[in-house]
Amino acid sequence: QVTLRESGPALVRPTQTLTLTCTFSGFSLNTDKMCVGWFRQPPGRALEWLARIDWDDDRYYRTSLKTRLTISKDTSKNQVVLTMTDMDPADTATYFCARMTVLVQAYYSDFWGQGTLVTVSS
Amino acid sequence: SYVLTQPPSVSVAPGKTARITCGGDNIATEGVHWYQQKSGQAPVLVIFFDTDRPSGIPDRFSGSNSENTATLTISGVEAGDEADYYCQVWDTSTEQVVFGGGTKLTVL
Repeated sequence: QVTLRESGPALVRPTQTLTLTCTFSGFSLNTDKMCVGWFRQPPGRALEWLARIDWDDDRYYRTSLKTRLTISKDTSKNQVVLTMTDMDPADTATYFCARMTVLVQAYYSDFWGQGTLVTVSS
Repeated sequence: SYVLTQPPSVSVAPGKTARITCGGDNIATEGVHWYQQKSGQAPVLVIFFDTDRPSGIPDRFSGSNSENTATLTISGVEAGDEADYYCQVWDTSTEQVVFGGGTKLTVL
């Protein structure tokens, strides 16, 4: 059974750094073609992809946020961590992590965490 | 960057067929995936790689992809299908996950 759970602060001050942890079970990031992605959804708005880390440690970032994001993994703990620097109220959103896999270069997310709401406010 | 265009809303009566479109330049060459997101919940994958259904997804959900439009079709719509639906591709040229803007399905 594949599960993912996001954890991190509910409230972040402007200019601070956000650190979110995705703890997963039921699969291994050492397995070929396995990836974990981070996504967010501002209130009332559409889903946005933020970053992806692959089984071979390749990393991909949303172009518009690339300078602020870092994704890393700890396969021994089954965790993926996302940091986002210089937080702004516009970054207020529900943040999700998801298992991603690939079929003929088409990456998709087949299992999602429940999400965690992060509010950026002073 | 690659853009996916969805209608903001689709309405359908119970028992009828809903079709939600996702437009993109030559989208037929991409693998398109569809997610259902009910209010306050995480997204759920309902179609992957244009036409495939994950385990547990009813066969009322089907997908197609041709030329510049991918389509999610929900047959025999039920009240429980009311949700936001998102299409998604992996843009290989920019190495980005791209989502459509989402379509709110209302069951009348």
